[in-house]
Amino acid sequence: QKEVEQDPGPLSVPEGAIVSLNCTYSNSAFQYFMWYRQYSRKGPELLMYTYSSGNKEDGRFTAQVDKSSKYISLFIRDSQPSDSATYLCAMNQGTGNQFYFGTGTSLTVIP
Amino acid sequence: KAGVTQTPRYLIKTRGQQVTLSCSPISGHRSVSWYQQTPGQGLQFLFEYFSETQRNKGNFPGRFSGRQFSNSRSEMNVSTLELGDSALYLCASSLLAGAWGFKETQYFGPGTRLLVL
Repeated sequence: QKEVEQDPGPLSVPEGAIVSLNCTYSNSAFQYFMWYRQYSRKGPELLMYTYSSGNKEDGRFTAQVDKSSKYISLFIRDSQPSDSATYLCAMNQGTGNQFYFGTGTSLTVIP
Repeated sequence: KAGVTQTPRYLIKTRGQQVTLSCSPISGHRSVSWYQQTPGQGLQFLFEYFSETQRNKGNFPGRFSGRQFSNSRSEMNVSTLELGDSALYLCASSLLAGAWGFKETQYFGPGTRLLVL
């Protein structure tokens, strides 16, 4: 079993929709949770990161972490065509720089 | 400030050959991590270097190796290439190894796409 599971999609939504992206994990030692966005032919770029459980909001993006369920989510409000990309979740125990990534969810926002 | 650069961007090799990939981190960043990205497995951690020392290593065979130079530039080498080594190899740099804070996160390069025939 992979330590981080993520539905690969693809996910296709109309412009303006609310998008929900999710990951589950098995290692209860994970403390830091991140979402990266990766455009085609580019490296991943950090969108948001959260420490431990709770919610964090940044503009149209909201990250949620539920450590009791080992489940994290990223919500995108008022989705835009420019949000079309692959979204990767990543986790870290907080010791060293070893990140564990999900396989990514491909999102297309249709104008 | 220039971002993380990786060379070459594309590479085609045949089975059994070896390959060396290069990564130049953001100026001032001392930690460099390498990842392999494939459609089926996603991003998998290869290793991390800090101040010319390997600090962490993922679950990859010994054919995968790396090093870091005094100017923080890093190279990774794959010997005896196999078809399954075809992937996007990503390098990420960060200011401090194991240091946390939004400004000290990893910054990824564009990757080197390796195709093994």
